Amino acid sequence: DGGITQSPKYLFRKEGQNVTLSCEQNLNHDAMYWYRQDPGQGLRLIYYSQIVNDFQKGDIAEGYSVSREKKESFPLTVTSAQKNPTAFYLCASSKRMRSSYEQYFGPGTRLTVT
Amino acid sequence: GQQVMQIPQYQHVQEGEDFTTYCNSSTTLSNIQWYKQRPGGHPVFLIQLVKSGEVKKQKRLTFQFGEAKKNSSLHITATQTTDVGTYFCAGEQGGSEKLVFGKGTKLTVNP
Repeated sequence: DGGITQSPKYLFRKEGQNVTLSCEQNLNHDAMYWYRQDPGQGLRLIYYSQIVNDFQKGDIAEGYSVSREKKESFPLTVTSAQKNPTAFYLCASSKRMRSSYEQYFGPGTRLTVT
Repeated sequence: GQQVMQIPQYQHVQEGEDFTTYCNSSTTLSNIQWYKQRPGGHPVFLIQLVKSGEVKKQKRLTFQFGEAKKNSSLHITATQTTDVGTYFCAGEQGGSEKLVFGKGTKLTVNP
């Protein structure tokens, strides 16, 4: 079964703690993305990676960090510097980093920080 | 930077009524994609439009790309309860190869 997995589905953390969200794909896609979704805000790009060991900031990268050590994996760390971390986080991948390729999304992780 | 504006933000219809969501860009788009996100789910790709004036149909869904490639629409004929969800358009941001998503239109259907 090919696809993108994200874990966990729900995550609760105390303010001031870093937390890492997992994203794995077995689609052999080069490009991977992290989006944040808030009610009424659509999808906002946090980070993206076109290839292993390379990644770029998206529109709202402050307070987040990523790594891309393997083609299949693109974990996102939400640091304590992120002022408003409670949100729904979606990981996606596409065959290449080109707008003509459709993006495949994982099921998402809903993070709540109190 | 380029923005992709989508209206309306919410639409509530009676089952059987038609529904349309519109997507507008201030700059020419090389292509546009449409996604659907069911309540509690994740976005799923529906279709991509590339050519000026292109029209594509998927059963009761009709997608159009404007002649100037700055706007697009999704029209659903005779909505069903299975159509509920949020519909997003996404277009390329000025040669960057990055997709920019509209804020989406949330559709609810009253049975």
